[in-house]
Amino acid sequence: GAVVSQHPSRVICKSGTSVKIECRSLDFQATTMFWYRQFPKKSLMLMATSNEGSKATYEQGVEKDKFLINHASLTLSTLTVTSAHPEDSSFYICSARQGRGQETQYFGPGTRLLVL
Amino acid sequence: DQQVKQNSPSLSVQEGRISILNCDYTNSMFDYFLWYKKYPAEGPTFLISISSIKDKNEDGRFTVFLNKSAKHLSLHIVPSQPGDSAVYFCAASQPNSGNTPLVFGKGTRLSVIA
Repeated sequence: GAVVSQHPSRVICKSGTSVKIECRSLDFQATTMFWYRQFPKKSLMLMATSNEGSKATYEQGVEKDKFLINHASLTLSTLTVTSAHPEDSSFYICSARQGRGQETQYFGPGTRLLVL
Repeated sequence: DQQVKQNSPSLSVQEGRISILNCDYTNSMFDYFLWYKKYPAEGPTFLISISSIKDKNEDGRFTVFLNKSAKHLSLHIVPSQPGDSAVYFCAASQPNSGNTPLVFGKGTRLSVIA
């Protein structure tokens, strides 16, 4: 299957700082990328849908000014958690879809964020 | 309203036996279904998919069955192995969905006991 990478895999930061997470599709061009968050023992929660070259579409309840998403190219999307707080500590996962009509989403390995 | 439902939060199966994970959906427009497997602290891994024009798709130990009239699909794993222990997510999409994400169930935790 297609490969999606995330960097970093784990990050610890101080409260009030910003953290950037990268999501890359390594062997295909991703028209659309998705960002999810997983709380302990819970299912995946979709945060936003990101299309290359356009603004991301955020799910209800997700603050777009807090979680900045940039999909600058067909192989890279970034999620920046701004002014991070301890409650932002979570497991963030991205996924990418190969293109229109290709419905399979391939997921990255996830990024564990811990805000102290 | 949850469009994709996995009503069993957990399932335990003996090694070597068959594991059957079930999934129900309510949106009759869904035409493509997928199963993902997820280990703790990792991203989901795509397992197998099925289009609505089929009723069965097989890949090694994994078989997905689709019953459109019942709006039900299932994933069969046989024989089950301890390494299959993970959370399994069912997902669905509809045609011409453009950039909309897959709709996921809440997952079923499978434990394969040696």
